[in-house]
Amino acid sequence: SQQGEEDPQALSIQEGENATMNCSYKTSINNLQWYRQNSGRGLVHLILIRSNEREKHSGRLRVTLDTSKKSSSLLITASRAADTASYFCATDASQGAQKLVFGQGTRLTINP
Amino acid sequence: DTGVSQDPRHKITKRGQNVTFRCDPISEHNRLYWYRQTLGQGPEFLTYFQNEAQLEKSRLLSDRFSAERPKGSFSTLEIQRTEQGDSAMYLCASTYAGVSYEQYFGPGTRLTVT
Repeated sequence: SQQGEEDPQALSIQEGENATMNCSYKTSINNLQWYRQNSGRGLVHLILIRSNEREKHSGRLRVTLDTSKKSSSLLITASRAADTASYFCATDASQGAQKLVFGQGTRLTINP
Repeated sequence: DTGVSQDPRHKITKRGQNVTFRCDPISEHNRLYWYRQTLGQGPEFLTYFQNEAQLEKSRLLSDRFSAERPKGSFSTLEIQRTEQGDSAMYLCASTYAGVSYEQYFGPGTRLTVT
């Protein structure tokens, strides 16, 4: 079963705009990760935020984590056509297994 | 390219046939995971190995599924007596447990059961 709910399920914006995706989860976690998947391909790790962190940056990516609300958001600034992909949040709530539980994803389309 | 390879990339088989997929992880990674992804959904955990030991299997993994990781290197996932409901993308990922939490995914094997 999937732990996460992602919102929105699909997002279409113009190139240069910012894109925000949200993820909610159900149980206490060790960390939360965001992955990108281009159509029909494997997943690529983007960023990890630990349960004791509130915000993290990596290039044009900004991730926030609110453990009291069991939610996270991913912000992509100054979007590019190459950012078109599906984005998944994944939580690790396992005891050492590092077993990831994924949300159903947000399909992001950047229009040139 | 993440360094994790999977073979074949696509497999079409008839219901009732057996299929086997292979995953070659990044060589120094001690953990290997299998996930299954259906259209429009996120990946779902199937099983994982620490070196050659299979440590956990999901309830999604019926007894028609078996996975191995001999010598802690490559891994195989076999599905016996395939059913149409097995049609999905099968993803392999590896990581260096104790050093990193990031999982490196292969390109996946897309299985279609007709």
